[in-house]
This record gives sequence, C-alpha cells and structure tokens, in this order.
Amino acid sequence: DGGITQSPKYLFRKEGQNVTLSCEQNLNHDAMYWYRQDPGQGLRLIYYSQIVNDFQKGDIAEGYSVSREKKESFPLTVTSAQKNPTAFYLCASSPMGMNTEAFFGQGTRLTVV
Amino acid sequence: AQSVAQPEDQVNVAEGNPLTVKCTYSVSGNPYLFWYVQYPNRGLQFLLKYITGDNLVKGSYGFEAEFNKSQTSFHLKKPSALVSDSALYFCAVRLRERYSSASKIIFGSGTRLSIRP
Repeated sequence: DGGITQSPKYLFRKEGQNVTLSCEQNLNHDAMYWYRQDPGQGLRLIYYSQIVNDFQKGDIAEGYSVSREKKESFPLTVTSAQKNPTAFYLCASSPMGMNTEAFFGQGTRLTVV
Repeated sequence: AQSVAQPEDQVNVAEGNPLTVKCTYSVSGNPYLFWYVQYPNRGLQFLLKYITGDNLVKGSYGFEAEFNKSQTSFHLKKPSALVSDSALYFCAVRLRERYSSASKIIFGSGTRLSIRP
C-alpha cells in the first residue's frame, strides 16, 4: 500500500519529556510537512522539508525539532521547551511543484500530562 | 501577509439543498488553491485544486469550486448535499518561498459542515 504512515496514533507523555513522532512515506515524494491542529485554529505549519538534509521553519517552530536524513522519513521531536504540546499532529508529503497537492497521514494525538 | 481565510466556522444545510463553503485568499502572483476534507480523528483528504484555466473546478464526491479572481475567492460548492458530507473542510494555498524553488502549503481555519436529514 502506498501512503504516509504516522505512528503511534495516540501518545501520552509526562510534562518535561521529549517525544518523537514518526512519519514515513513510500510515495517517493520530495517534500514533507508537519502541521499541528488545535480545535478552532485549523492547521498550523511547524516545519517542512523539500529535500534530504534540508528543512525550513514554519509558523510555529519554537519547541520543535526535525530531521530529514532519508527521503522517506521526517520525524518530529516535541521538546520540553514547547509550552503547550497537547495537540493533534499531522504529517504530509507532496511532489515538488506549485501545482501539486499534499497527501496526509492519519495523525498522532499527543497528550502531555 | 499572504493568507487564506474561511469566514464561517460552521455551515448548516438540509440534505438535498445546495451547499457553499466560503474561502478568500490574499496572495501575490498567481494563486494555487486547494480544498481538503477531514473526518473525525483522521488526516485530510484532497478534494480539488485550482491551478489555471477554467474558473469552475470539479473534484471528488460531486464537489466543485469556483475561482473568482476579482473577488479573490475560491468557494466550495455542491448542488445537492448528503448527510455523509458532514465534516470539516479546509481551504489551502501553496506559497513559493522567496529566492528558491521551495514552497509551503498554508491552511484556513476550517469550516464545519453539518447536513441535517
């Protein structure tokens, strides 16, 4: 099956701990994205990457970090510096080009207690 | 700042009636516009896009969208709503980074569509 896989679906962490969310795609897409979704606020861009070993900050990058060591993988680490990490996190990928749509994973719901 | 806006948090329509979900944009240059749908606790699914050409774009599940350059709008429409259309709908725009070929996608705040039987 081709697509984007996010794991785990649900994640619980204690406050002050770093946590890494996984995102893998087998669509051979160059670009990958991480979004955060909170109720009533839509999707906000955290980080995005167009090619391996390169990524850019989105609108709300503070308290997050990413890596892009392989084309297929774009893990997101939520650090203890993120003030309000409880949210629904969505990963997406797309081919390069302005006319291309993004394909989304099923999301990871992170709850920090 | 370049952006996309959805002015309605919620739209309520009776089954069988036409529906419209509004979207306006503010972009320098030609806009690349998209509509997505999200069902509870799921990722987003692509519905349709406007790149260039005809102002009326047809997409999945009977949805269509009308691009209006003078009003900077890209409203989502369907002639006859179904209860199963009830979901969260997002308008999005792809923005090119300055001085590079990179681009990102930004989303509106979403509109919850509720279709009553």
